[in-house]
Amino acid sequence: EAQVTQNPRYLITVTGKKLTVTCSQNMNHEYMSWYRQDPGLGLRQIYYSMNVEVTDKGDVPEGYKVSRKEKRNFPLILESPSPNQTSLYFCASSLYPGLNYGYTFGSGTRLTVV
Amino acid sequence: AQSVTQLGSHVSVSEGALVLLRCNYSSSVPPYLFWYVQYPNQGLQLLLKYTTGATLVKGINGFEAEFKKSETSFHLTKPSAHMSDAAEYFCAVSDGGGTSYGKLTFGQGTILTVHP
Repeated sequence: EAQVTQNPRYLITVTGKKLTVTCSQNMNHEYMSWYRQDPGLGLRQIYYSMNVEVTDKGDVPEGYKVSRKEKRNFPLILESPSPNQTSLYFCASSLYPGLNYGYTFGSGTRLTVV
Repeated sequence: AQSVTQLGSHVSVSEGALVLLRCNYSSSVPPYLFWYVQYPNQGLQLLLKYTTGATLVKGINGFEAEFKKSETSFHLTKPSAHMSDAAEYFCAVSDGGGTSYGKLTFGQGTILTVHP
């Protein structure tokens, strides 16, 4: 089944403790992206990657890092999480969004930073 | 730059009634437009999309949307609401691969409640 898999689904952590949210897709998509969803703000892009070793900032990159060493994986790294990063995070992938193949979204990771 | 405005953060309808969720966009290039649905504790699922061609687009679950360039709108409709339509709906715009590399810009979301 074609899908984007995120782990974990739920995570509670403490301020300053480094964490990684994993994202993997099995569709051989070139494009991957991370979004955060907050009430009343919709989804905002954090980082995106056009292909292996090619990443760039989205609209709200502060406090986040990403890497794209393999085509299928695009982990999101919070080096020193803070409470304002409490949010619902989605990973998405696309064959190539410019041609409008559309995005496939993961099921989300609900992160709470205390 | 692109932006999306969804009018009404909450919409409530009775089962069997018309569903109308409003979306207006701003884009400096011909837009590609999308509607996504998010059921509780799930990811986003594509309902329908407009790229080029026919301005009335039909999607899954009986939803459709009409692209109106003169009004910069892409409102989502369904003739008869069902209880299973209760969810949050997001309108999104893409520049189709221009300077933003096809980035999807989302609206704030509209929560649809369906009453028996």
